[in-house]
Amino acid sequence: QVQLLQSAAEVKKPGDSVKVSCKASGYKFSDYGISWVRQAPGQGLEWIGWNSPYNEATDYAQKFQGRVTMTTDKSTNTAYMELRRLRSDDTAIFFCARDPANVDLTANDPFKIWGQGTVVLVSS
Amino acid sequence: SYVVTQPPSVSLAPGETATITCAGNNIGTKSVHWYQQKPGQAPVLVIYYDNDRPSGIPERFSGSNSGNTATLFISRVEAGDEADYYCQVWHSTGDHRVFGGGTKLTVL
Repeated sequence: QVQLLQSAAEVKKPGDSVKVSCKASGYKFSDYGISWVRQAPGQGLEWIGWNSPYNEATDYAQKFQGRVTMTTDKSTNTAYMELRRLRSDDTAIFFCARDPANVDLTANDPFKIWGQGTVVLVSS
Repeated sequence: SYVVTQPPSVSLAPGETATITCAGNNIGTKSVHWYQQKPGQAPVLVIYYDNDRPSGIPERFSGSNSGNTATLFISRVEAGDEADYYCQVWHSTGDHRVFGGGTKLTVL
């Protein structure tokens, strides 16, 4: 079946970087993009950005520009989200979601498939 | 950046109809999706393109979208519907994918 499997929890120190992976299965990887969503403890969902395995295009939320890089590896059907210069308020659960947009973000299509989430704890 | 606003919480008794709103400037011109998230779980899509239901979602879930408000309706609410609900839209400038702040539904 279609699923996204994310990497295990991470513990980082302030100033570190973290790279979360999201392995897709059950569908053609390049037919869909991947969006990343963050959820801080007790808070709501926050869109971080989008990446296309098809053309490697990216689109990042303004808040994260300069600090985030999203990539994909078509040989392993895996998407990656790297967040740099971590702060304590980056402590959150990070979700990947299958995004129907695979060329650019010009339409609003729903996220029908989500990964299970990866906990990132930033603490000194 | 486009902002969508949800009430923080909605409480009601079993069997009643829940109404969860998502307010935004001319949101009626956009497609709205709704997600349900239970504690410790990933979000689940319950309504997409304003009022379509994914397979497996009960008919009790429906939606509407007009003017400056989109609405998620859950009829005959059950204890199992207790969750956080988020609306999500697309915007042409700034951040393209925008979530509302979420509404916690409590079934008394």
